[in-house]
Amino acid sequence: SQQGEEDPQALSIQEGENATMNCSYKTSINNLQWYRQNSGRGLVHLILIRSNEREKHSGRLRVTLDTSKKSSSLLITASRAADTASYFCAMGQGAQKLVFGQGTRLTINP
Amino acid sequence: DAGVTQSPTHLIKTRGQQVTLRCSPKSGHDTVSWYQQALGQGPQFIFQYYEEEERQRGNFPDRFSGHQFPNYSSELNVNALLLGDSALYLCASSSTAGGGGYNEQFFGPGTRLTVL
Repeated sequence: SQQGEEDPQALSIQEGENATMNCSYKTSINNLQWYRQNSGRGLVHLILIRSNEREKHSGRLRVTLDTSKKSSSLLITASRAADTASYFCAMGQGAQKLVFGQGTRLTINP
Repeated sequence: DAGVTQSPTHLIKTRGQQVTLRCSPKSGHDTVSWYQQALGQGPQFIFQYYEEEERQRGNFPDRFSGHQFPNYSSELNVNALLLGDSALYLCASSSTAGGGGYNEQFFGPGTRLTVL
């Protein structure tokens, strides 16, 4: 299966700084989605980018997608303590399933 | 508008037992997917139900089975539990409306299953 790989596995920054997480995958996708998970609970959908899109914004989030390199990045600007969580990229294979990466654990220090 | 709900929140079972987990999708959604998330790992796709049928299945043994009801809610059943089945089980719902291939999946809070 086309498990995604996320980098870094863990990231610790100061409040107010920007955080960048990267995701790479192996085969073609229809879309790529980013999720946030707090303390092992349910996943919160952040943003979906389609395979024919290159960049997408939502509030303090910016996602890019490079299908030629099979990679995506999530940028969180002006980080806050509440952004502390695990972030997952998920490769969409049609409407049928998502294949998740291992996640990046983000810690925002006050 | 209620989101995806799951029950129970936590469950403790012993090896060899059977368990049933339940999921109600977000209003307006007709598709339910189940995922298993082991500690420290990303979620793994178990299967997806649409129109009361299993549409696609991940790499899980037949001990894992499911059902979808006419009201779109779903159950996940696991038989002959093993220690390795201990995990957070997540249900996600989505809608086939608006064209396939681009629909977000919305997740419930999960059921944490512990097998002793």
